[in-house]
Order: sequence, then structure tokens, then C-alpha cells
Amino acid sequence: QKEVEQNSGPLSVPEGAIASLNCTYSDRVSQSFFWYRQYSGKSPELIMSIYSNGDKEDGRFTAQLNKASQYVSLLIRDSQPSDSATYLCAVKVGAGGTSYGKLTFGQGTILTVHP
Amino acid sequence: GAVVSQHPSRVICKSGTSVKIECRSLDFQATTMFWYRQFPKQSLMLMATSNEGSKATYEQGVEKDKFLINHASLTLSTLTVTSAHPEDSSFYICSARDRGRTTGELFFGEGSRLTVL
Repeated sequence: QKEVEQNSGPLSVPEGAIASLNCTYSDRVSQSFFWYRQYSGKSPELIMSIYSNGDKEDGRFTAQLNKASQYVSLLIRDSQPSDSATYLCAVKVGAGGTSYGKLTFGQGTILTVHP
Repeated sequence: GAVVSQHPSRVICKSGTSVKIECRSLDFQATTMFWYRQFPKQSLMLMATSNEGSKATYEQGVEKDKFLINHASLTLSTLTVTSAHPEDSSFYICSARDRGRTTGELFFGEGSRLTVL
């Protein structure tokens, strides 16, 4: 089982719709969760972080975390064509060792928002 | 804030040569930097963790003698691909953690696209 799993998509939604991206992780002691957006040929850009159960909203983005189910999601409201990108879920591994705090990434979900 | 600069953004070299990539945190200090590699249509693969003032920690399967990492200061880490071959062609991305934050997020450089002929 992969440490962080995402549906690779592609996920296609119409402009103005809600895009829902999902991620599951295997390490129960994971504490920190991040969503990155990566445009083609570019490096990842942090868009959301979440650390406790529940929802966290930032503009059109809402991250949801359920530690009991080991599940984290990202909702994008009023999707725009400029949101078309690959979305990477990242989980921070627990403390300890010389690789303290490394992030493990899912394989990414390709999102396409069509006009 | 939290800007990471990576240089060069693109490099083309002949097989057998060595290439150095620099990663700098511009407005924060980073005791730890991470080097990733990404092949087309694949996710990020962690290569190594670079710790300031100590030896890097390499992930399983990554040759430490081929990918030399130096983290000489709190703002600079370098990756040198030695004796590069066409199979080393990839997108190399560094990331850094701000030691002044407790939230754990990583900030990424712009990436370096290496093409080995």
C-alpha cells in the first residue's frame, strides 16, 4: 500500500462547479497535511495546510481532514480554467531520524476545468 | 516571504560531465532542505534530505556518490550530478523548511530541468 494515495484522474469539471480532490494516507501518526498545486513544467506551490480534524477554508479552497479515516480532501469552489493543474497531497512524516519532517507526496490528481 | 531560489532553471550537458544545481532560501534560514526528482507525468520522488553542517541522508536506491549534496550554510544547498548520463535527465526540485516556523510546510524552488545528451 502506498503511503499517500490519490486518484490520478483526470478530473474534469465545468467552470463554476465544485472540484473535489481526495487523498488517503497510511501512517496513523501523521500530523500535518498539505495540498500543493503544480502547473505543467513548474514546481509545486503550497495552497493549503491543515493540522486538525475538520474543515479549513481559505478563499475558494476548503481542506477537510478526518484522522480517524486517514482521509484528507480539497474542495475548490467556483472552479476556474486557471485552476487546471495537478494537485498534490502531501503528508508530513513523524519526528525522529535525520529525515525529520520530510513530506511524502501522493501521485497527484490532474484537474481540468473547462469553460 | 519564504522564497526559495533555484539555479540554473535549465541545463543541457554532454554525457559524462557533472552538473551543479544551487538552492537558496532568500528570506529565511533553512536547517533542512530536501531534494526531489520528478519524471514526466510522475509525482515527486524524494532523493535526499540535506542537513546544514552534516552529511545528507539519501533515500533508498539513490546513489550518494552520484548525487553529491552539500549544505554549507543555513541558506544554501547544492546538488551535483556527477558523470551524468541520459537516464539522469529529469526535473530536479529543491525545497526548504523555514526553521522559524513550526507548521512544517515546505517551500519549493523553481526547479531545474536537466537534459543529458
